[in-house]
Amino acid sequence: DVKVTQSSRYLVKRTGEKVFLECVQDMDHENMFWYRQDPGLGLRLIYFSYDVKMKEKGDIPEGYSVSREKKERFSLILESASTNQTSMYLCASRQTGSFVETQYFGPGTRLLVL
Amino acid sequence: KQEVTQIPAALSVPEGENLVLNCSFTDSAIYNLQWFRQDPGKGLTSLLLIQSSQREQTSGRLNASLDKSSGRSTLYIAASQPGDSATYLCAVPAPGGSEKLVFGKGMKLTVNP
Repeated sequence: DVKVTQSSRYLVKRTGEKVFLECVQDMDHENMFWYRQDPGLGLRLIYFSYDVKMKEKGDIPEGYSVSREKKERFSLILESASTNQTSMYLCASRQTGSFVETQYFGPGTRLLVL
Repeated sequence: KQEVTQIPAALSVPEGENLVLNCSFTDSAIYNLQWFRQDPGKGLTSLLLIQSSQREQTSGRLNASLDKSSGRSTLYIAASQPGDSATYLCAVPAPGGSEKLVFGKGMKLTVNP
């Protein structure tokens, strides 16, 4: 079974702190994704990576950056956390080029910025 | 731009009812559609993926259908149980053959014992 893990289930940070959210997948997938999920707004894509060191902005990249130095690991970075970044963050991975492959999600990280 | 809509946003039913969850999308040029389940505070779990060449997929008490021409999909849950309580989301690939998905906002289902 595909496994996607996220470094923390819950995080509490202060405004202005630099925050790292880590995601690791064990199925050698090329594609990895970071979403945030907010009530009433649904899932919104922050960043997408289609290979090591390759990235593409999603719908809401402002205030975030990402790093993919190894194929299995995709990090989301909040350079200077703000209260409006309080949210549920979900990581996912997927094999590339297949019409029958789904995205596999991690358990999520609930971030509270005070 | 692809938009995915799920109505209603929430549904509460007694145990044992057969349910139909609806999903509509604006761009019919899709190569598949997926249904996911999300339990409170957790990640998403894939339930069913229907390819554009298929009309339906079944897994246990779940059956999903796809009508590309009308831009609609339904998820049928037979003999609902309290354990089916969760949020159900549908998703289609973003336009242009992208690896990215466009999600509906989900429907929160509560099945009461």
